Amino acid sequence: NAGVMQNPRHLVRRRGQEARLRCSPMKGHSHVYWYRQLPEEGLKFMVYLQKENIIDESGMPKERFSAEFPKEGPSILRIQQVVRGDSAAYFCASSPGQGGAYEQYFGPGTRLTVT
Amino acid sequence: GENVEQHPSTLSVQEGDSAVIKCTYSDSASNYFPWYKQELGKGPQLIIDIRSNVGEKKDQRIAVTLNKTAKHFSLHITETQPEDSAVYFCAPGGSNYKLTFGKGTLLTVNP
Repeated sequence: NAGVMQNPRHLVRRRGQEARLRCSPMKGHSHVYWYRQLPEEGLKFMVYLQKENIIDESGMPKERFSAEFPKEGPSILRIQQVVRGDSAAYFCASSPGQGGAYEQYFGPGTRLTVT
Repeated sequence: GENVEQHPSTLSVQEGDSAVIKCTYSDSASNYFPWYKQELGKGPQLIIDIRSNVGEKKDQRIAVTLNKTAKHFSLHITETQPEDSAVYFCAPGGSNYKLTFGKGTLLTVNP
């Protein structure tokens, strides 16, 4: 059973460009979470999605960041007009929901570097 | 919001010794208490978790204990091995399914 998959693993963008990060949850999981990790720090919650619904986006910056989890295909975290401060590791996690909602399994992350 | 603190921030032990990491939290509504292990360049790996109706849980060499009254829970690793070297995070969660991560503890097991 494949784990959570994220791509790309490394992404380099110039300031002002757009970054698109993809996450495919574990098979059978319908809940997706995105977290951001700055160097030497713990992970910070960004957004929680179910298929076609944003459940909690309280950790998302108000501008430039958006997330979706369509009926078909991976979840996407989009960062528009990237700035140097967006450089971080972005992790996606998934959980089965319905009693197992807390057990979040993480992917390998996407390391975004903004030059 | 939830305030989570982990101690110590770094821990160095000899192979075969035990290691204990403590996590304190502030939100009394928290009811899920996991520990994650993160190796360099990888994503966090769930290693053990406990729910608020249980005081202790053990899985081979690792155990988690919970004191809900005092709002802290601890990770215990016995008979440590070099491959246990990693950063460990606690991440208590509440009814909104959001995990709040501590800042991590760097564990080094010296052969």
